Amino acid sequence: AQSVAQPEDQVNVAEGNPLTVKCTYSVSGNPYLFWYVQYPNRGLQFLLKYITGDNLVKGSYGFEAEFNKSQTSFHLKKPSALVSDSALYFCAGRPRGGNTPLVFGKGTRLSVIA
Amino acid sequence: DTGVSQDPRHKITKRGQNVTFRCDPISEHNRLYWYRQTLGQGPEFLTYFQNEAQLEKSRLLSDRFSAERPKGSFSTLEIQRTEQGDSAMYLCASSLEGTGAGEQYFGPGTRLTVT
Repeated sequence: AQSVAQPEDQVNVAEGNPLTVKCTYSVSGNPYLFWYVQYPNRGLQFLLKYITGDNLVKGSYGFEAEFNKSQTSFHLKKPSALVSDSALYFCAGRPRGGNTPLVFGKGTRLSVIA
Repeated sequence: DTGVSQDPRHKITKRGQNVTFRCDPISEHNRLYWYRQTLGQGPEFLTYFQNEAQLEKSRLLSDRFSAERPKGSFSTLEIQRTEQGDSAMYLCASSLEGTGAGEQYFGPGTRLTVT
């Protein structure tokens, strides 16, 4: 079965410091991987995706993610955190071929402290 | 606004009542998905449509749940004889097949509370 794991329920970081939100996956073949962000009482917003090619993917709002096939990881990163980045972050993945449903991690709550 | 919309945003119902939710996808998107999200969990897949055809249903989708997309545009999700365990956020997403990874765009969700 396909699965995505986010090992940290909560990540706290000081404003201006770099942040990392971790994600590991168990998805067959070379997967498509995604990061979404959810603000209170709102739906999920697409941040970035990995399809193929460059292992460092750049997305919205200064976020980037690094795909590591050997470690089956897709960690989300940002060089300098903002208080406004505080939200719930979800990693998701699916196998290649067709628009099959996404499998989501449980989410990681990011708190950026001023 | 050209994003995914859902109606209603909130629904409070008594156990045993039927409820229906509506989702309007991004207009050019041919795939439409329904997910359920409970507190502290990521979204869980329920079902999806390719145009008007329902292609896959999760085993989470009991016989009390039914979804339709009659003209390949908007979709409805009906829950019959609601139970307290149905309380959750119901999310709709849409995507365009054949565009690379086909990222899904989500609506704001419908929060259901069954009392």
